[in-house]
Amino acid sequence: AQSVAQPEDQVNVAEGNPLTVKCTYSVSGNPYLFWYVQYPNRGLQFLLKYITGDNLVKGSYGFEAEFNKSQTSFHLKKPSALVSDSALYFCAVRDVNYGGSQGNLIFGKGTKLSVKP
Amino acid sequence: GAVVSQHPSWVICKSGTSVKIECRSLDFQATTMFWYRQFPKQSLMLMATSNEGSKATYEQGVEKDKFLINHASLTLSTLTVTSAHPEDSSFYICSASPGSHAPQHFGDGTRLSIL
Repeated sequence: AQSVAQPEDQVNVAEGNPLTVKCTYSVSGNPYLFWYVQYPNRGLQFLLKYITGDNLVKGSYGFEAEFNKSQTSFHLKKPSALVSDSALYFCAVRDVNYGGSQGNLIFGKGTKLSVKP
Repeated sequence: GAVVSQHPSWVICKSGTSVKIECRSLDFQATTMFWYRQFPKQSLMLMATSNEGSKATYEQGVEKDKFLINHASLTLSTLTVTSAHPEDSSFYICSASPGSHAPQHFGDGTRLSIL
């Protein structure tokens, strides 16, 4: 079965410090991996995706993520956190072999990022 | 960029009322749209896949007669919560993708509160 795990409910960092939000996945085929951010009472905003190619993917707002096939991980990173980065972050996977390229996303439970000044 | 609009953003109504939520892709066509439900402090759970011109595909445990989905055009899908009850109170979010390798784009969600 396809699944996504975000082991941390919350990540706390000081402004200006690097941040990492962890994500591991399990799919039967080739994964399409995504990171989304959600602000209170809002839908999800797309940050970045990995389909194929370079393992290091750069996305919106200075975020990047590294795809590691051997560890089945796709951790989200940012070199210098901002207070405005505080939000709920979701990792998601689309299993192409399961639902095709238009298949639905399977989400992790979310990680709350709190950046303090 | 691809924009998905969801309306209304907030609904408060009495038990027994039916509520319709609209999801529109503003600048692209979407043969497939997805409807999710999110409980407080929880992740998104897929409810159903809306297919233009055909019946929606519902996830296990989701009542088809309770959550009616209509995808009559390539830019509009609607979710109707029929005879809503307090346990249907939740945050409902739709999404659509402009292409096979494109990410899904989400509406801003609809907060449904049933009194």
